Amino acid sequence: QVQLKETGPDLVQLTQTLSITCTVSGFSLTTYNVHWVRQPPGKGLEWMGAMWNGGGTDYNSAFKSRLSISRDTSKSQVFLKMNSLQTDDTAKYFCARHYDNNPFDYWGQGVMVTVSS
Amino acid sequence: DIQMTQSPTSLAASVGESVTITCLASEDIYGSLVWYQQKPGKSPQLLIYGATILEDGIPSRFSGSGSDTQYSLKINSLQPEDFASYYCQNGLSTPYTFGAGTKLELK
Repeated sequence: QVQLKETGPDLVQLTQTLSITCTVSGFSLTTYNVHWVRQPPGKGLEWMGAMWNGGGTDYNSAFKSRLSISRDTSKSQVFLKMNSLQTDDTAKYFCARHYDNNPFDYWGQGVMVTVSS
Repeated sequence: DIQMTQSPTSLAASVGESVTITCLASEDIYGSLVWYQQKPGKSPQLLIYGATILEDGIPSRFSGSGSDTQYSLKINSLQPEDFASYYCQNGLSTPYTFGAGTKLELK
């Protein structure tokens, strides 16, 4: 069955780099796109960026050049890296599956990351 | 970027009542509107896409409508499990912006 699972640190120091892995099963990264969405505590959802099935990427300009998304198709993994972390980057980070003009139909359970000084 | 303005921010209702949540896009999104439900501590769950298409397994008391820039989600005969947060999303183009959310609470 389709599954996505995010793994990453609980705590990241201020100004450091966040690395999160989304490991997927039940579908191929060369067929489906994977997106990253985050949610600060008690707040709404924010689209961060996408890894397209063809290997290209797209980013929310709000993250300027801080954000990088990559993948390893052989391991069915998509990676998020974001540098220069600030306290307002404290959030739950989700990965989600997407295909063509369809919606984000499957989501991981998310990983809660706290940025600490 | 397409902005999604969702209202109300919060809503209190009773079991059995009907409620409507609206979402206004800053430009025409040609029906590419998605609704998600999110319960505390959980990931969002897809409810409706293409503005009106109910995802498999979602009860028929949920319905979506709208076109161009104006969309709405209606929940008929509220059930206890419907009290949650709801988000609309621009499904047309990146950035796939979300509305700010509506928290549906029990009155």
